Amino acid sequence: QVQLVQSGAEVKTPGASVKVSCKTSGYIFTSYGISWVRQAPGQGLEWMGWISVDNGKTNYAQKLQGRVTMTTDTSTSTAYLELRTLRSDDTAVYYCARDLRYNWKFPELAYWGQGTLVTVSS
Amino acid sequence: DIEMTQSPSSLSASVGDRVTISCRASQGISNFLAWYQQKPGKVPKLLMYAASTLQSGVPSRFSGSGSGTDFTLTISSLQPEDVATYYCQKYNSAPFTFGPGTKVDIK
Repeated sequence: QVQLVQSGAEVKTPGASVKVSCKTSGYIFTSYGISWVRQAPGQGLEWMGWISVDNGKTNYAQKLQGRVTMTTDTSTSTAYLELRTLRSDDTAVYYCARDLRYNWKFPELAYWGQGTLVTVSS
Repeated sequence: DIEMTQSPSSLSASVGDRVTISCRASQGISNFLAWYQQKPGKVPKLLMYAASTLQSGVPSRFSGSGSGTDFTLTISSLQPEDVATYYCQKYNSAPFTFGPGTKVDIK
């Protein structure tokens, strides 16, 4: 069965960086894109970006450009999200999610990781 | 960028009621629209994609319609387990923006 298992909670100080991992299993890693979505406490879902795992092409939310990098390691079927220069308003639960359809570049988020809480506080 | 709006922002209905949630895109997105359900404290779940295609395993009381700029998610007979926040998301082109959500609870 398809599984996405994310790394554990993180506490960071303002200005630091965080790298969240999303280890996948149960499917061919390179055949489906991965999105990252975050949710601040009590708030809605915010799309952060998407990576096409087969060629590494990325699309990032404009507001995060320059601070965010999404990568993958095909040898371990793991996706990574790095967010730099953290601010208090980056405090959120961060989710990875896999596309529904095989080799379809329009992300319908069918499988989700369990979420990773990142807390940014001095 | 295309903006996504939802209405209402919240609603309260009785068990068995028909519930309708609207989602509007500021520009046409064809049928590249998905709906997600997020129950309190849980991970979001894909309900509908391509505006009107029911995701596998989702109860048939959920249905979707629309194309272009106006979309609707309907719950034909509200059940207690449908208490959740519902989000639409456009995915015709990046950014793949979510709507602000509609919170549904039981009266």
